[in-house]
Amino acid sequence: ELKVEQNPLFLSMQEGKNYTIYCNYSTTSDRLYWYRQDPGKSLESLFVLLSNGAVKQEGRLMASLDTKARLSTLHITAAVHDLSATYFCAVESGNTPLVFGKGTRLSVIA
Amino acid sequence: GAGVSQTPSNKVTEKGKYVELRCDPISGHTALYWYRQSLGQGPEFLIYFQGTGAADDSGLPNDRFFAVRPEGSVSTLKIQRTERGDSAMYLCASSLGSGGPYEQYFGPGTRLTVT
Repeated sequence: ELKVEQNPLFLSMQEGKNYTIYCNYSTTSDRLYWYRQDPGKSLESLFVLLSNGAVKQEGRLMASLDTKARLSTLHITAAVHDLSATYFCAVESGNTPLVFGKGTRLSVIA
Repeated sequence: GAGVSQTPSNKVTEKGKYVELRCDPISGHTALYWYRQSLGQGPEFLIYFQGTGAADDSGLPNDRFFAVRPEGSVSTLKIQRTERGDSAMYLCASSLGSGGPYEQYFGPGTRLTVT
């Protein structure tokens, strides 16, 4: 059974600081996704990572994938308040449906 | 173009009642997915359709839950004899196909509250 674990589950960051969110999964993956969710809203796709060593960057967010370690990271650079949200990783393996982690609730404070 | 739409956006119902939640996928998307997200949790898979047929319904929690997609486009998630534990955000997603590099696009969700 595919399991996805994120840590930390809660993160309070100061503006301007850097931090990394970790996503571990239990079986081989075909695709790994990162989503952002604002309170009461749906999921916004941030990144899709397909292969070992994949790295994608958008603004202050950078995601990477290590399929051998079954680990993805979401790195936040010089955090700003607008990044406050909940971030989910989700893994797809073979024909199994997307399995999500519990999410990391990020709060960026001045 | 238009994204995935879901109606209603909010639904409040009494325990024991029947509810229907609707999902309108992106035009041309053959795969459609339903997820349930409880407060403070990640979305959990319920069922997915490839065309008109349910390809995987292993996530439906019990036989009170049922979903249809009769013409391969709009889908309806039906919940009978609702219970307070059914209160959650119900998310629908669609994709061009299933498996392969087909990203799922999520709708805005329906927040169901059972009182």
